[in-house]
Amino acid sequence: AQRVTQPEKLLSVFKGAPVELKCNYSYSGSPELFWYVQYSRQRLQLLLRHISRESIKGFTADLNKGETSFHLKKPFAQEEDSAMYYCALSGLAAGNKLTFGGGTRVLVKP
Amino acid sequence: EPEVTQTPSHQVTQMGQEVILRCVPISNHLYFYWYRQILGQKVEFLVSFYNNEISEKSEIFDDQFSVERPDGSNFTLKIRSTKLEDSAMYFCASRTSGVSSYEQYFGPGTRLTVT
Repeated sequence: AQRVTQPEKLLSVFKGAPVELKCNYSYSGSPELFWYVQYSRQRLQLLLRHISRESIKGFTADLNKGETSFHLKKPFAQEEDSAMYYCALSGLAAGNKLTFGGGTRVLVKP
Repeated sequence: EPEVTQTPSHQVTQMGQEVILRCVPISNHLYFYWYRQILGQKVEFLVSFYNNEISEKSEIFDDQFSVERPDGSNFTLKIRSTKLEDSAMYFCASRTSGVSSYEQYFGPGTRLTVT
């Protein structure tokens, strides 16, 4: 069965500091990994996905199949990055449904 | 930019009552999903729907739950006899076709409170 683990429930950093959100997964097959973000009172929205290898809003994430990780990083956090972040996994073996981690709340202090 | 919409935003119902949660997916999407999030817990998959039938359902999606696409636009989740533990945020999502296109677009959610 597939599983996504986000070990940190809360990350509190100062503006301008680096932030890294950890995500580990288990999946038998080729996974598709995503980071979704939920700002206060807004819907879940896709931040980035591993296949596109993009940098969105300064965030990057690299899929490490050896460590089964997909950590999200940003070198200089901004106050507007304060939100709930969810790592999610999908794939053919998963029936294309999304399996979410428990989420990490990021608080960027001024 | 097209968005998934959900109504109502908040539904309060008494235990044992039937509720219908409504979703309007993005118009050219073909795959539809319901997820739920109990307060303080993970977002959990309930059911996926494609080509007018359920393609997968979780253990949570028991006989009390059903989904329907009654017309070309709406996608509904019905809970026949609500229980206290059904209180949660329910999210609808949709995605386009294509094996490589797994991105799902989420609605704003319906908060269901069962009293």
